[in-house]
Amino acid sequence: AQSVTQPDIHITVSEGASLELRCNYSYGATPYLFWYVQSPGQGLQLLLKYFSGDTLVQGIKGFEAEFKRSQSSFNLRKPSVHWSDAAEYFCAVRATGGFKTIFGAGTRLFVKA
Amino acid sequence: DAGVTQSPTHLIKTRGQQVTLRCSPKSGHDTVSWYQQALGQGPQFIFQYYEEEERQRGNFPDRFSGHQFPNYSSELNVNALLLGDSALYLCASSLQPVGTGELFFGEGSRLTVL
Repeated sequence: AQSVTQPDIHITVSEGASLELRCNYSYGATPYLFWYVQSPGQGLQLLLKYFSGDTLVQGIKGFEAEFKRSQSSFNLRKPSVHWSDAAEYFCAVRATGGFKTIFGAGTRLFVKA
Repeated sequence: DAGVTQSPTHLIKTRGQQVTLRCSPKSGHDTVSWYQQALGQGPQFIFQYYEEEERQRGNFPDRFSGHQFPNYSSELNVNALLLGDSALYLCASSLQPVGTGELFFGEGSRLTVL
C-alpha cells in the first residue's frame, strides 16, 4: 500500500534562512508526487508536482523539490524563507493510473523574525 | 474562472443527525474527490466520483455516501453522526480521475458534531 511520511511535525526557521521539508514515500514504482500548502482556515494549494523527467522541479513562490528514487524521497526546499511562508505543508503521492491521492500528516512551518 | 466552491462553510450538528455537504468543481473539471481532514492531520481520502459513479473509496464506513450530478457537482452525505466525524471536509476537483492532473481544492466545510 502507498504511504507518505513527513518526519517533522513542525519546523521553525528564521526569516531569510533556507528551508528543507522532508518527505518519504512507499510505493513499488515511481508515483506522481506533489507538494501542497495550506494556510489557516483555507484549502490546499499546489506548490509543485513531479511526474517524470528532470528530478529537480520548480514550483510557485520560489519553492523547488528534488525527487530521489534511491531514497524514495521528495524533499521541498526554498533558499530564503519569507514570513508569509508560515503555513502547513503536505506531501502527497498518487499511483500512476491511480484514482486517489494520499497525503502525509503535514509539517507546520513557523517563521521567526 | 470560478474555482472549487463548497457549502456550507461551517455547520454544527448533534450526534445521530445527518449532514449533506455540497461541492461545485472548477470550471471544466469532471472529477470530484472528497477528503476528511481532522485537526492536526493530513487529508484522508473518502471517495472519488467520475461520470456520476463512485470510482474508488477510502477506508470510511457506509455512513459516508456521495453523489455526483450531471453538471459534475457533488454531495457528501454522512448519516448517524459521531463525535469523531468532526473535521474539515475538503472537496477537490480534477480533469479526469487518473493521469497527471492535479487536485484543486475548495476551502472546505467545517463540521462540528456535539
